[in-house]
Amino acid sequence: DAGITQSPRHKVTETGTPVTLRCHQTENHRYMYWYRQDPGHGLRLIHYSYGVKDTDKGEVSDGYSVSRSKTEDFLLTLESATSSQTSVYFCAISDTLYEQYFGPGTRLTVT
Amino acid sequence: QKEVEQDPGPLSVPEGAIVSLNCTYSNSAFQYFMWYRQYSRKGPELLMYTYSSGNKEDGRFTAQVDKSSKYISLFIRDSQPSDSATYLCAINFDGPGGYNKLIFGAGTRLAVHP
Repeated sequence: DAGITQSPRHKVTETGTPVTLRCHQTENHRYMYWYRQDPGHGLRLIHYSYGVKDTDKGEVSDGYSVSRSKTEDFLLTLESATSSQTSVYFCAISDTLYEQYFGPGTRLTVT
Repeated sequence: QKEVEQDPGPLSVPEGAIVSLNCTYSNSAFQYFMWYRQYSRKGPELLMYTYSSGNKEDGRFTAQVDKSSKYISLFIRDSQPSDSATYLCAINFDGPGGYNKLIFGAGTRLAVHP
């Protein structure tokens, strides 16, 4: 498996609280991504990064922010969690146009 | 219209069957066509990719791209219970500045029963 980890793996939080998910890679890949996966919607891109401090929005970025201060770490923050953000979140890394390596996922439940 | 459309299934087949999974896409600029496989409660992993059009074979798996119809397919021969997973198609293109975002289909859930 590619060296990519996510933490926490499971989290339950209350509506209105801030939440930060962490993605850590040991592969030195340039690109890092955050996706959410929901039934019927597949993988939807939240934000991605193309270098340290270089990030851009994906198709479902509202309510989320990201930061990448080091090559190996990409943080996803829900500023004020809502029930609609209950989902499985995947981090991915890549250095090619066709292959992304995915982390194990974080199951987030917002009550 | 979504850029990539994929029938979510589920698809249930007996062991040994030939499975056909399909996606359609809307943008003729796409050049890379991928199939990812995702087991339950795991992250997706790349199964195969094709650049431009044509066929690509890897063991029991064949990926096919028809750019004239904007149609991509994955065929699984002699399907096994271990093939039970969700299969996601994904597309990309080599645009200016190095476009590096994949667009995924919704995924088709496949169950192969003994």
